Parts: sequence; C-alpha cells; structure tokens
Amino acid sequence: QKEVEQNSGPLSVPEGAIASLNCTYSDRGSQSFFWYRQYSGKSPELIMSIYSNGDKEDGRFTAQLNKASQYVSLLIRDSQPSDSATYLCAVNLFTSGTYKYIFGTGTRLKVLA
Amino acid sequence: ETGVTQTPRHLVMGMTNKKSLKCEQHLGHNAMYWYKQSAKKPLELMFVYSLEERVENNSVPSRFSPECPNSSHLFLHLHTLQPEDSALYLCASSQVGQGADTQYFGPGTRLTVL
Repeated sequence: QKEVEQNSGPLSVPEGAIASLNCTYSDRGSQSFFWYRQYSGKSPELIMSIYSNGDKEDGRFTAQLNKASQYVSLLIRDSQPSDSATYLCAVNLFTSGTYKYIFGTGTRLKVLA
Repeated sequence: ETGVTQTPRHLVMGMTNKKSLKCEQHLGHNAMYWYKQSAKKPLELMFVYSLEERVENNSVPSRFSPECPNSSHLFLHLHTLQPEDSALYLCASSQVGQGADTQYFGPGTRLTVL
C-alpha cells in the first residue's frame, strides 16, 4: 500500500463547478497535511495546509481532514480554467526520530471552459 | 517568489561532463531537500539535510553528490550522468521541528543529458 494515495485523473469539471480532490494516507502518525498545485513544467506551490480534523477554508479552496478515516480532500469552488493543474497531496509524519515528508503522485485537474 | 532560488534554470550536459546545481533559501529554514521529477512521474525525494547534516539518502546513484555547506545553501554535484537522469530537479526548504513543516520549492533546474 502506498503511503499517500491519489487518483491520477484526469478529473474533468466544467467551469464554475466544484472540483473535489481526494487523498488517503496509511500512517496514523501523520501530523500535518498539505495541498500543492503544480502547473506543467513548473514547481509545486502551496495552496493549503491543515493540521486538525474538520474543514479549513481559504477563498475558493476548502481542505477537509478526517484522521479517523485517514483522508484529506481539497474542494475548489467556482472552478476556473486557470485551476487546471496537477494537485499534490503531502503528509508530514514523525517517525524513527525524524520528520518525514511524503508526496502523493498527484491528481491532474482539467477545468473545461 | 517563494524565497528559494535555483541556478541554473536550464542545463544541457553530456554524459562525461561535471556540473553542479545550486540552491539558496532566504527563509531562515533549517532543512533543505533535493527532489527529482521525471516526465509524468511523481516527485522522488533524493536527499534531505536537516541542520546541515544529511538525514536521508534514498538510494540515489553515486553520480549524484549533495553538499550542504550551511543552512542556506545546497548543491547537487553531477558527474557521468545518463540520459535517463534528464528531469526537473527541485530544491525545497522547510523549518523542521515545529509541526508546521511546510516545504517551499524553488523554480527547479531543467536538466537534459545528451
């Protein structure tokens, strides 16, 4: 089982719709959770971080964390063509005396105009 | 701009060349990372330095050699590379130990090995 799993997509949504991206993780010791956006040929940029169960909203983005079910999701409201990118989920956990940062493989999102 | 810079942005080298990638962070972080990202593949963590000590080395071939002279600078020395080493090489930094271990990425170096 992969430590951080994401559906590779592509996930296609029409402009103005809600895009829902999901991520599951295997280690219950995971402490902090991140969503990055990566445009083709560019480096990842942080969108959201979340540390406790529940929802966290920032503009059109909402991150949801459920530690009991070991999943974290990202909702993008009013999706725009400029949101088309690969979205990477990352998990930070403390193991063997050190912090370990693990990325998922990413979900490619296409917002259709 | 994330506060992490990388040079050069593009590099073309032959298999017999020796070159170095440079990364500098201006965020006061205490950990730095090298990642490799090949086309249509996920990020692969190569090396981690925390407080200038290498704490992780994920079975990377010896033709890649990292160096971290201080907490703000990180190098990746390259020699006798193979064409399959062509990829985007990303540097990142973070502040380890406070739970909010967000990694900030540089723009990357696009490496082509001929």
